Amino acid sequence: ETGVTQTPRHLVMGMTNKKSLKCEQHLGHNAMYWYKQSAKKPLELMFVYNFKEQTENNSVPSRFSPECPNSSHLFLHLHTLQPEDSALYLCASSQELRVRVNTEAFFGQGTRLTVV
Amino acid sequence: AQTVTQSQPEMSVQEAETVTLSCTYDTSESDYYLFWYKQPPSRQMILVIRQEAYKQQNATENRFSVNFQKAAKSFSLKISDSQLGDAAMYFCAYRYGGSQGNLIFGKGTKLSVKP
Repeated sequence: ETGVTQTPRHLVMGMTNKKSLKCEQHLGHNAMYWYKQSAKKPLELMFVYNFKEQTENNSVPSRFSPECPNSSHLFLHLHTLQPEDSALYLCASSQELRVRVNTEAFFGQGTRLTVV
Repeated sequence: AQTVTQSQPEMSVQEAETVTLSCTYDTSESDYYLFWYKQPPSRQMILVIRQEAYKQQNATENRFSVNFQKAAKSFSLKISDSQLGDAAMYFCAYRYGGSQGNLIFGKGTKLSVKP
C-alpha cells in the first residue's frame, strides 16, 4: 500500500465547476508537492510546501489554488479550468527540504483530470 | 537552469536480456542527486535507484544499476535479466542538494518487454 494517497482517482469537470483534489501521506514527511503530468511532456512541478509553508509556486495560473492545512494533507482547489488543464496530477512527499538531505520523493497514484 | 534529457522515447527488450536507458543532465552545481523512477500503468511513480553526485561508485539495486559519468553529465540505467514486470515508463530525475532542491524530470522512456 502506498504511503501517499490521492483522491479521487478520476475526475471529470466542466469549465465552470469548482472541485478539489486531495492528497494524504502517512510517512511522517514534512515536504509535499503537486506535479502536473501531461502527455509527451516532462512532469511539471506546480507547488511545494515545506512544514506547511509554501516555498514554491512555479508560475501556476490562479485557477489552481493549493492548500496545506498540516504536514500530512495537501489540497489542490480547482475553479474555471480550461480543457488544456486536463492531465494527471501527482502528489508527492519527501522528508523535508534541507541542505544535503538526500530525500527521495514518494508519489501517489495521481488524479486523472478531464476538463470538458 | 537545470535540465534533464532522455533521448529515447521508446525502447524494447527481450525477456531475460539486458537493456540500457540513457539520461543526460545539465547543471552547474557540484552537489546533487540523481534518480530513476518507474511509472507502470498503475501510474504510481516508484523509485528504482538513486545516486549521490559526490559518490564515485555506481549505485546498484538487484537487477538495476547505473553508469554515472559526472564529467560527461550522464546517468544511464541498466536493467539486467529483464522481466515482464519491468515494462513501464522510466523517468530520470535530478535534484539539487540545496534546501530548495526540487525534482526535475526528463520526458521519460517507455520500455516494452517482449516475452
